[in-house]
Amino acid sequence: AQKVTQAQTEISVVEKEDVTLDCVYETRDTTYYLFWYKQPPSGELVFLIRRNSFDEQNEISGRYSWNFQKSTSSFNFTITASQVVDSAVYFCALSAYGGATNKLIFGTGTLLAVQP
Amino acid sequence: GAGVSQTPSNKVTEKGKYVELRCDPISGHTALYWYRQSLGQGPEFLIYFQGTGAADDSGLPNDRFFAVRPEGSVSTLKIQRTERGDSAVYLCASSLGMGGTETQYFGPGTRLLVL
Repeated sequence: AQKVTQAQTEISVVEKEDVTLDCVYETRDTTYYLFWYKQPPSGELVFLIRRNSFDEQNEISGRYSWNFQKSTSSFNFTITASQVVDSAVYFCALSAYGGATNKLIFGTGTLLAVQP
Repeated sequence: GAGVSQTPSNKVTEKGKYVELRCDPISGHTALYWYRQSLGQGPEFLIYFQGTGAADDSGLPNDRFFAVRPEGSVSTLKIQRTERGDSAVYLCASSLGMGGTETQYFGPGTRLLVL
């Protein structure tokens, strides 16, 4: 069975602090994709990144970086120098490759509050 | 270009009533997905369309839920005999539909409240 665990329910930081959001996944598939989405108070899910299971290189995009480690089944997300606008719920998601469905399996999300 | 749009943004109904929720995907996207998000939870998959056909409806909770996409563009999620437990945000997403695992782009959702 596929499962995504985001153990951190809520995190509160002060602006300019670095923060890491954890994501641990379970799957029996050898090929799969991992995603991060941001859900601000407006409610719309905003796509941040997609990573396939064969690409373990870390990725950096501005203040955002992602650390994918197959050995620990983790795909963690770090925000450097956090800003108030980063306040949102962040979801990690997993999808099997190919097959009849492209459904995403989401974790329960981490609410990040960045205080000024 | 325009993103995924959903109407209505909010819907209040009474227990036992019928509701329809509409999703308009990104132009050119042939794959369309419905998810349901309860308070404090991540979205849960309901159904996936490739073109006009439902390729995977394994997430529909029971036969009160039904979705259509007759022309391969707009989709309607239909809920019969609504129950209080159906209260949630219903999210629609679309992707290119070229095959493989694609990035899904989400709409703003419809917040359904069943009294």
